[in-house]
Order: sequence, then C-alpha cells, then structure tokens
Amino acid sequence: EEQLVESGGGLVQPGGSLRLSCVGSGFTFSKDWMSWVRQAPGKGLEWVANIKQDGSGKYYVDSVKGRFTISRDNSKNSLFLQMNSLAAEDTALYFCARFGVVGGLDCWGQGTLVTVSS
Amino acid sequence: QSALTQPPSASGSPGQSVTISCTGTNSDVGAYNIVSWYQQHAGKAPKLMIYEVTKRPSGVPDRFSGSKSGTTASLTVSGLQAEDEADYYCCSRADNYNFIFGGGTKLTV
Repeated sequence: EEQLVESGGGLVQPGGSLRLSCVGSGFTFSKDWMSWVRQAPGKGLEWVANIKQDGSGKYYVDSVKGRFTISRDNSKNSLFLQMNSLAAEDTALYFCARFGVVGGLDCWGQGTLVTVSS
Repeated sequence: QSALTQPPSASGSPGQSVTISCTGTNSDVGAYNIVSWYQQHAGKAPKLMIYEVTKRPSGVPDRFSGSKSGTTASLTVSGLQAEDEADYYCCSRADNYNFIFGGGTKLTV
C-alpha cells in the first residue's frame, strides 16, 4: 500500500523554527516530484512548495520564500520542510503529497499540525 | 498568487448533476492543461478526482468528469450520491512550476 506519514508538527512561538518530515512507503519515492500543501483551521488548501525527483528544482509560494526550505533524502524515502521565522499565519495542518501523475497529487499523508502562538 | 475562484457552495438532489466552476487567469488555468480536482471529506486528507483537466485516476467513478474553456475549468458530478457530499478544490499549475488552489466548494447532496 502506498503511504505517506508526516511528523514534526507542534506548538512553536512566533519567530521560531520547526522541521517537518514525511516518509514514503509502498512506491519508488525517488521517481516522483513531491509537495507540501497546508490547510489553516477551517480554511482551504494552499500549495506551499514542490521539489523535483533529484532535488535539483525547488519552488515555493511567495508567502514562504526565504523562510521555508523543502528538501528530500531519496535514500531514506524522506521529504522535509524546514520552517524558519514562523508567524501566526503559518498555523495549519501540513500535508505531504506525491505528484504521481502529471500535475496531480495522487497520494497524501494525514497531515501534521503546526501551531504558531505565544 | 491569488486563489482560483470557486463558488463557496453547490447542491443537488440524489441522482441529479451538479457542475462546479473554477476561474483563474491566463497565467494559470488559461495557460496550462494541468488542472486537477480534489475531494475532501471532513477531517480527512484530500483525494485526487481529476488530473490534466479531464483524466480520472483509477478507482474514481466515471460520474466525475472535468473540462476547461479558456480560463475556467469545471468539475461535473453526475448521478449524485450521498457520499459525494464533501468539499471540492480545483488546482492549476501556474508559471515557474507554482501551483494554485481554488478556495473550495462545499457540495451538499
């Protein structure tokens, strides 16, 4: 069974940092682009970042550029999101997802909750 | 990077059809045939229903179909069933490998 499992969320103060992780199983992790998508409480989905199969290309929504860094370790089937200078508006459930088809996220984790509050 | 525009709500009776629109710009929906649709039930992760405007992943019923004209994409759900009640989000590729989601539509059956 294809599966993605996120971890690393929690409560952090404004200005703080957090590193999210996502481990994939049941598929060839290194074959696919990967993505982080977030959902603020009671709100819609927001694309955050993408990374190419070999990590050579990384793309971000404007609101996180310079603060968030997406990376991956294909030897460990793992995707990461380093989040710095966190603000209240970054509070959300963060999903890891796979681009298994062209432009389509066909496998999603259950999400990890990030709360930014003093 | 403004969200794509979707109606906040849509509704239909069992067996009927409903269409949800998703309006973007010539930098996203109008520029790329890379529009996808996601179904999200409360408290669950999103599920891919349509990709590349019209394609259905295996396992998605053919009651779900997608289309696009200019800067507006659409999702049509035919033969509505109770389990179709959920939030639906469109998503489009935009310039520089960015992606943009719509604000979401709550479908009531």
